[in-house]
Amino acid sequence: SQTIHQWPATLVQPVGSPLSLECTVEGTSNPNLYWYRQAAGRGLQLLFYSVGIGQISSEVPQNLSASRPQDRQFILSSKKLLLSDSGFYLCAWSVGPLTEAFFGQGTRLTVV
Amino acid sequence: GDSVTQMEGPVTLSEEAFLTINCTYTATGYPSLFWYVQYPGEGLQLLLKATKADDKGSNKGFEATYRKETTSFHLEKGSVQVSDSAVYFCALRGSGGYQKVTFGTGTKLQVIP
Repeated sequence: SQTIHQWPATLVQPVGSPLSLECTVEGTSNPNLYWYRQAAGRGLQLLFYSVGIGQISSEVPQNLSASRPQDRQFILSSKKLLLSDSGFYLCAWSVGPLTEAFFGQGTRLTVV
Repeated sequence: GDSVTQMEGPVTLSEEAFLTINCTYTATGYPSLFWYVQYPGEGLQLLLKATKADDKGSNKGFEATYRKETTSFHLEKGSVQVSDSAVYFCALRGSGGYQKVTFGTGTKLQVIP
């Protein structure tokens, strides 16, 4: 069966420090991969999605970047965190047309 | 582009009350529609889905019917429990392009005993 792993679960980072969140999917090939952010009291905002290795689409201009070095690995990064980067980050995957997305357990990022 | 609009929360209900959370969408073509649930501190879990017009998705006593004529996918439950307290997200996956999953802003449900 397919599983998705996302880590770390929680992270506290100072302003200006770098960020790297990792997400891996098992049990499937060539998934679509997504990074979402959920800010306090707000809904889900799609940050990046990827349909294949090295193919990244950005939904909103921001301080973050994403990379997909392997088929089932999706990384969210920042060179210098801002206070506004705090939030709950969710990785997700899907395959095939019109199918649902499956989510990881999320990373709670607090920038201090 | 695709968009999902769902009712603002929070919604507070007494146990065993009837629940409706409204959701309407805008999309080209024939999207699939979903309801996700998020319990405190956790990721999103798929609650139910419908992939074509007039389909009814159901799970754990929740139901939603894909209404293409009104572009709606309202979530209902006949008798809510305290354990249903969570944030509910309506979402769609478009039939074109990269088939992104687009979410509504979420509706927080609180059920009190």
